[in-house]
Amino acid sequence: KAGVTQTPRYLIKTRGQQVTLSCSPISGHRSVSWYQQTPGQGLQFLFEYFSETQRNKGNFPGRFSGRQFSNSRSEMNVSTLELGDSALYLCASSRGGTGYSDGYTFGSGTRLTVV
Amino acid sequence: KQEVTQIPAALSVPEGENLVLNCSFTDSAIYNLQWFRQDPGKGLTSLLLIQSSQREQTSGRLNASLDKSSGRSTLYIAASQPGDSATYLCALGAGKSTFGDGTTLTVKP
Repeated sequence: KAGVTQTPRYLIKTRGQQVTLSCSPISGHRSVSWYQQTPGQGLQFLFEYFSETQRNKGNFPGRFSGRQFSNSRSEMNVSTLELGDSALYLCASSRGGTGYSDGYTFGSGTRLTVV
Repeated sequence: KQEVTQIPAALSVPEGENLVLNCSFTDSAIYNLQWFRQDPGKGLTSLLLIQSSQREQTSGRLNASLDKSSGRSTLYIAASQPGDSATYLCALGAGKSTFGDGTTLTVKP
C-alpha cells in the first residue's frame, strides 16, 4: 500500500516569505502529526490533526499552523519565515483511534532551507 | 512532562557484534513505545512497536523490550551489519509523541 507522501521534498525560501507543506497519510489513517527536526533540537512535535481537528499542539509560535482536510490530507503553513525555521519537516500518520495505541508511519520529509 | 533519554549517543562496533541500545523515560503512563531508524537526511522507518501491555517484540535480528516499572526499553541488534548503520530513535506515546535524541550507530566492515 502507498506510504505517507510529503510534498515538496525540497524548498528554498527567503526570510519573511511564507510556505505551505503537504502531507498525504496512508489510506484509512485519520491522524496526521507534524514534526520539525534540526541538528540542535532533535525531533520536536508541532501538532497533530485528527478528523480535521487539531488534537494536540507543541510549543511553537503562532507562525506555525496547520489544517486537515476531509480526506485526511494535511497541510502545514509557516508564515514570516526566519533563518531558524530551516529544518527537515516530517509528518507521520496513524489510525489515531482512541487509546493512542497505534504506531506511526513517517513520510520522507520536506527539507526547508530559509536564506 | 515526559523526558526520554537514549544512551549511548553514538556507538561504533565491528561487523557481526551483538549490541544493545537503551531508551529510558520518566513517565510510565505510556500507550506504546516505538523504535525507529533514520538514515541521514531521510524520514523515520518504523522498526518495532511495543504496546503498553506487552513486554517485547521481535522482528528478524531485532528484539525490543519494554519495562514500564523501571522506565526502560532496550533494542537488541544481533549479528550487526554495515547496513545497520543509522540513527536509532525511540518514541513514547502517540499524538504528542516524545522522542529521544537517538543513538547513532556505525557498524564497521
